[in-house]
Amino acid sequence: GAVVSQHPSWVICKSGTSVKIECRSLDFQATTMFWYRQFPKQSLMLMATSNEGSKATYEQGVEKDKFLINHASLTLSTLTVTSAHPEDSSFYICSARDAASTDTQYFGPGTRLTVL
Amino acid sequence: DAKTTQPPSMDCAEGRAANLPCNHSTISGNEYVYWYRQIHSQGPQYIIHGLKNNETNEMASLIITEDRKSSTLILPHATLRDTAVYYCIVRVRSSNTGKLIFGQGTTLQVKP
Repeated sequence: GAVVSQHPSWVICKSGTSVKIECRSLDFQATTMFWYRQFPKQSLMLMATSNEGSKATYEQGVEKDKFLINHASLTLSTLTVTSAHPEDSSFYICSARDAASTDTQYFGPGTRLTVL
Repeated sequence: DAKTTQPPSMDCAEGRAANLPCNHSTISGNEYVYWYRQIHSQGPQYIIHGLKNNETNEMASLIITEDRKSSTLILPHATLRDTAVYYCIVRVRSSNTGKLIFGQGTTLQVKP
């Protein structure tokens, strides 16, 4: 089956620093990837849609200058949380869309970010 | 994309079938029904999807009513490892965005 990986699986950083999270589709090409955020006991909230070779589309209320998304290849998208603060602590999950075959989205295992 | 309504929680005995309902009364003709599940502290796992015909794979069966306003996900022999939050989502397949909007889902607790 389709596999999506994320790195790192968890990260702890100091307030004010930037953190980069990678999302990779391992066995298929993904022209579209998505980034979600999930707070404890809540559902997944879509942050942005990332299209290969173009600018990401952000959902309403998500700061594009704070959450930088780059989708430079068909298998890699990155999310950079800039100047992180404790309120950015969350579970970040990416998904990749396998548009060529089943048009199904497959999710990564998630990245736990803790900002001190 | 149409919204869905699911019960917040359900229990199921281990070894029995788990039937998870989903209402999507405003579904459009070109919208598919997708099911995902999320085990605690993991990313969601794709289970199955369908348009109007019933579907079955190695994980589950999906039964969609004739009017397409509701569906049921069936786990034929639930195990303790099936304890998770199950999400029913409708979306237009092959749309330009293809994004999935998650609701609150159903927390399924499989009990020994």
